[in-house]
Amino acid sequence: DVKVTQSSRYLVKRTGEKVFLECVQDMDHENMFWYRQDPGLGLRLIYFSYDVKMKEKGDIPEGYSVSREKKERFSLILESASTNQTSMYLCASGGTSGRNEQFFGPGTRLTVL
Amino acid sequence: QKEVEQNSGPLSVPEGAIASLNCTYSDRGSQSFFWYRQYSGKSPELIMSIYSNGDKEDGRFTAQLNKASQYVSLLIRDSQPSDSATYLCAVGRDSSYKLIFGSGTRLLVRP
Repeated sequence: DVKVTQSSRYLVKRTGEKVFLECVQDMDHENMFWYRQDPGLGLRLIYFSYDVKMKEKGDIPEGYSVSREKKERFSLILESASTNQTSMYLCASGGTSGRNEQFFGPGTRLTVL
Repeated sequence: QKEVEQNSGPLSVPEGAIASLNCTYSDRGSQSFFWYRQYSGKSPELIMSIYSNGDKEDGRFTAQLNKASQYVSLLIRDSQPSDSATYLCAVGRDSSYKLIFGSGTRLLVRP
């Protein structure tokens, strides 16, 4: 079974803090994704990566950056957390052998105070 | 027009009935189609994928794809209260790594 893990299930941070969310997958997938999910707004793509050290902006990259130094690990960084970044953050991986299905991690519910 | 459209629901069905969830998409170049189930407070779980026209069955689930009409549906037979969740439709192209997600349909199965 595909396993995607995220570093924390719940996280509480203060405005202005730098926040790191980590995601690890064990299926040798080329592609990894970061989404946020908010009530009424659905899933929104923040960033994705199609190879080590390669990244592309999604629909809402402002206020975020990412890092992919190893194939299995994809990090999302909030440079200076703000209250409007309070959300559920979901990591996904996929895209092996031309199939673009995605598998999600358990999510991190981030609250910024 | 949204790229992937789903009725938000809730769709309420009695236990044992067939639940029918529908999804339409706007991009005629779409080639891969997925259904995810998401329980409240949890992450989406992939339950069905379909790539060619017709039906694909997996247990109580059947995915149906009609590319000419640009819709994909999910049928859940013998619905159970544990099927109560939000079902997300996702659509992709071979030329892109990205999936476009619908906003989901909430299904309630009444005991």
